[in-house]
Amino acid sequence: AQTVTQSQPEMSVQEAETVTLSCTYDTSENNYYLFWYKQPPSRQMILVIRQEAYKQQNATENRFSVNFQKAAKSFSLKISDSQLGDTAMYFCAFMKHGGNDMRFGAGTRLTVKP
Amino acid sequence: DAGVTQSPTHLIKTRGQQVTLRCSPKSGHDTVSWYQQALGQGPQFIFQYYEEEERQRGNFPDRFSGHQFPNYSSELNVNALLLGDSALYLCASSQRGAQETQYFGPGTRLLVL
Repeated sequence: AQTVTQSQPEMSVQEAETVTLSCTYDTSENNYYLFWYKQPPSRQMILVIRQEAYKQQNATENRFSVNFQKAAKSFSLKISDSQLGDTAMYFCAFMKHGGNDMRFGAGTRLTVKP
Repeated sequence: DAGVTQSPTHLIKTRGQQVTLRCSPKSGHDTVSWYQQALGQGPQFIFQYYEEEERQRGNFPDRFSGHQFPNYSSELNVNALLLGDSALYLCASSQRGAQETQYFGPGTRLLVL
């Protein structure tokens, strides 16, 4: 079974600075997807970034980038130039290729301070 | 283009009662998945519906059941409610063959007293 672990329950960062959220996962699959979702107080889960395991290049979306280390089964999220609107719960998630269900970590609560 | 919608937004029930939650998928999507998110935890997969059939189920008891209608909308039913069923219930929609792209609704907050 696949498991996703987020070892940082809470983190904080000053506005305009950079923060990295950690995620590790366990799987015997070779082809899969990894995701970072943001859940603000409004509760809506919003996809931040997605990585396909067969792609070696790390995904990037504007201020958000990942460090994907397949051998180490590590998938961290870097947020550059943090903004107050980045304050939210961040969930790391896993889905095997061809799968139907997404496995989530317990989340990291990120607070961006002015 | 409307995204995923869910109703109601909040619900309060008592132990032993039954509840029905509703989800309308994003336009063009034919697959609906349901997740339970307990307070302070990540979402857990309940089941997925496609072509009006349950395609995969997570580790949830038979008290949790669902339905998908011809217009792809879906219902989640929970019977004999327990206090532990209190959670945020999230619906996600996707297209068959592109399951990795799931759009989530705002959720229904269920409180069981």
